[in-house]
Amino acid sequence: DAGVIQSPRHEVTEMGQEVTLRCKPISGHNSLFWYRQTMMRGLELLIYFNNNVPIDDSGMPEDRFSAKMPNASFSTLKIQPSEPRDSAVYFCASSLRDYTDTQYFGPGTRLTVL
Amino acid sequence: GQNIDQPTEMTATEGAIVQINCTYQTSGFNGLFWYQQHAGEAPTFLSYNVLDGLEEKGRFSSFLSRSKGYSYLLLKELQMKDSASYLCAVRDSYGNNRLAFGKGNQVVVIP
Repeated sequence: DAGVIQSPRHEVTEMGQEVTLRCKPISGHNSLFWYRQTMMRGLELLIYFNNNVPIDDSGMPEDRFSAKMPNASFSTLKIQPSEPRDSAVYFCASSLRDYTDTQYFGPGTRLTVL
Repeated sequence: GQNIDQPTEMTATEGAIVQINCTYQTSGFNGLFWYQQHAGEAPTFLSYNVLDGLEEKGRFSSFLSRSKGYSYLLLKELQMKDSASYLCAVRDSYGNNRLAFGKGNQVVVIP
């Protein structure tokens, strides 16, 4: 079975540009999570969707960040405009039901904002 | 809120046993996970504890004491491929069951 799929794997962009990260969760999983990982702050939850509905977006840093899940098999995380401090690895994870289940992580997108 | 503390790095010899500790403070504890993360890769699930005691899974065991706010991951018969960061993550039932991760403990296995 395919795991969580993320694209692109690497993204280098200039400050001020729009960045869109994509995620396909494991088929049949009802929950999707976006995380950000940096050396300084470790792994941080940005947003959690359940059945395509955003349940907890309290980790979204600011209005420059937005996330959507138009259907059960696709989600996007958008940063507009991007800033150098957004440079991090962004992970998408999915779980079968909700927060109480084991989360399976995608390979991550390494974002560098120059 | 949650506060999760893990030591940052340790070195151990192949074949040895290593214990990785995690202490936490949370408003409403609802489970603790251990994840393994190799450099440049995504975290992968290792174990889950919600009741006190020891859970054994092959070479890896995880222990939980809810009263002490403490868990450890025990790695036995260390192999070179065990060199990785080990993340402790706690679920807070008062915080919508959100999972909060520690910074991770880097284990380096040497021959």
